[in-house]
Amino acid sequence: AQSVTQLDSHVSVSEGTPVLLRCNYSSSYSPSLFWYVQHPNKGLQLLLKYTSAATLVKGINGFEAEFKKSETSFHLTKPSAHMSDAAEYFCVVQYSSASKIIFGSGTRLSIRP
Amino acid sequence: KAGVTQTPRYLIKTRGQQVTLSCSPISGHRSVSWYQQTPGQGLQFLFEYFSETQRNKGNFPGRFSGRQFSNSRSEMNVSTLELGDSALYLCASSLELSRPSAVHGYTFGSGTRLTVV
Repeated sequence: AQSVTQLDSHVSVSEGTPVLLRCNYSSSYSPSLFWYVQHPNKGLQLLLKYTSAATLVKGINGFEAEFKKSETSFHLTKPSAHMSDAAEYFCVVQYSSASKIIFGSGTRLSIRP
Repeated sequence: KAGVTQTPRYLIKTRGQQVTLSCSPISGHRSVSWYQQTPGQGLQFLFEYFSETQRNKGNFPGRFSGRQFSNSRSEMNVSTLELGDSALYLCASSLELSRPSAVHGYTFGSGTRLTVV
């Protein structure tokens, strides 16, 4: 079955240290992949998207993600965490054979001062 | 330009009642999708509308329905409310019907928080 898995439900890092949020998808032809962020009591905001172009995708707020077909992964990274990055992050995938999009279960990112 | 607008922001209803939620997409966007977000189930796809037609549907009972108007505004209706329907309902708009080749992603509204008591 087509799916997307976010490997960590909660990640906690210190301010100024790197962030890694992991996402794996089930293999398919050229999926489109997205990362969204949701701050408390807010809607979802698109961070970045991969659509068969460059495998390293740069997004807003210093985030980037690398599409690795061999590992079926699309991990989200940021070199230096900021307090304002504390939020819930969703990895989202669209597959060739389906038209609806599938959300991961989310990763809550906490930033320690 | 204005973002996706969902009204109302908060709603409290009693079991058995029905509720209608509204979503106004970004101007020019023709596709509107609805999602239910709960702590236990995460984000789940309800349905997608494009050009006033439902194009995709998730795995929700028939109590959940929707429609889209000619101006692309969409409404979602839930009848015979149950306690488990308490959730944040998110609406997302995009320029075109969701396809793997879509490059723009979706723009989400802030949601309507529905509490059923």
